[in-house]
Amino acid sequence: DQQVKQNSPSLSVQEGRISILNCDYTNSMFDYFLWYKKYPAEGPTFLISISSIKDKNEDGRFTVFLNKSAKHLSLHIVPSQPGDSAVYFCAAETSGSRLTFGEGTQLTVNP
Amino acid sequence: DTGVSQNPRHKITKRGQNVTFRCDPISEHNRLYWYRQTLGQGPEFLTYFQNEAQLEKSRLLSDRFSAERPKGSFSTLEIQRTEQGDSAMYLCASRQTNEKLFFGSGTQLSVL
Repeated sequence: DQQVKQNSPSLSVQEGRISILNCDYTNSMFDYFLWYKKYPAEGPTFLISISSIKDKNEDGRFTVFLNKSAKHLSLHIVPSQPGDSAVYFCAAETSGSRLTFGEGTQLTVNP
Repeated sequence: DTGVSQNPRHKITKRGQNVTFRCDPISEHNRLYWYRQTLGQGPEFLTYFQNEAQLEKSRLLSDRFSAERPKGSFSTLEIQRTEQGDSAMYLCASRQTNEKLFFGSGTQLSVL
């Protein structure tokens, strides 16, 4: 049972444009959502998070939006930079227990 | 370096052999997690500890897998009688309860 799904395995955007990565979840008990970024041969690195009591959280070029009724969240990166090229994982948890991850989206930002 | 440390970075073994991985979490973190990642998939939860107590184990964790966290500090993950399907990246992570999770660089296991 895949409780967190990222339906786009890959995304390619031009430098300077907006990157939008999407994530859907099925478990309504999830109350905290996170995005992680991963480079090859390294562990995932925390990027940004959002609590279920909010619908938006912003940190510099990164904004996460949460739509609880649709059980959907998205990560916006603007402007996109070549150094943003990596695999992005959406993750969710219930009450600080353990994270459940999506399959990941490979983002490629072309110069 | 105060991050999560995992050793070894790479392990190649023959099918049927036992392997053990070590994880040193960030020192003040009370929770330690093990995940497994295969190509094209996200990290899959295996087990986690709060201090020395193992609080949850995934159904993915067969009886060939065992994890320990003696004294609530470092942790070891042992795989007995390895199979080719065990080939994966094994990730360790740590956190303080309700804080964000920090990952190590992982141990890449190849079973020949």
